[in-house]
Amino acid sequence: NAGVMQNPRHLVRRRGQEARLRCSPMKGHSHVYWYRQLPEEGLKFMVYLQKENIIDESGMPKERFSAEFPKEGPSILRIQQVVRGDSAAYFCASSIDTVSPLHFGNGTRLTVT
Amino acid sequence: DQQVKQNSPSLSVQEGRISILNCDYTNSMFDYFLWYKKYPAEGPTFLISISSIKDKNEDGRFTVFLNKSAKHLSLHIVPSQPGDSAVYFCAASDGGYQKVTFGTGTKLQVIP
Repeated sequence: NAGVMQNPRHLVRRRGQEARLRCSPMKGHSHVYWYRQLPEEGLKFMVYLQKENIIDESGMPKERFSAEFPKEGPSILRIQQVVRGDSAAYFCASSIDTVSPLHFGNGTRLTVT
Repeated sequence: DQQVKQNSPSLSVQEGRISILNCDYTNSMFDYFLWYKKYPAEGPTFLISISSIKDKNEDGRFTVFLNKSAKHLSLHIVPSQPGDSAVYFCAASDGGYQKVTFGTGTKLQVIP
């Protein structure tokens, strides 16, 4: 299966810890997007990256959240000093170009206790 | 500010009948509209799209209608099948598919 791979599927962190979410895009896709889905809500755009570049991070909280997509390896969404309000499903998507629909991974469900 | 609204959180339809899912938007800059389907514990899967220069797009059992003056779009599934049971998200963007604004979803149940 050459789909978008996210890991871990489930992540439990205590308040104040760090969460690292990984995303490997589909083969041949160089555009990566992170979305967050809070309970009972739709998916909300967080950040759009291409290899080694952040293109649009207008949906990212200004503090504690960061994202990267290095030349080698997966894209990483990092949340420092997690709080209970960070509990959500985080979805990564990739596309081959800017005019093709997004392909989503199965998400990482983050629970902050 | 919810720019894409799906006012029906759920819908039940008999197998073989038509399912109609509705979506309204407020941002007149949106020019691409998409429907995604999502099963539990999985990511959304792209279903069908329409650009603002069209008012209808069809793909097999799925048809999307766009009414720009009313800022309304709908997804028709006919005939509905039990495997169509899922959450359907309406989404929109202004210029491409990257930064997409999603609605809150409608859970469709197709009853055998």
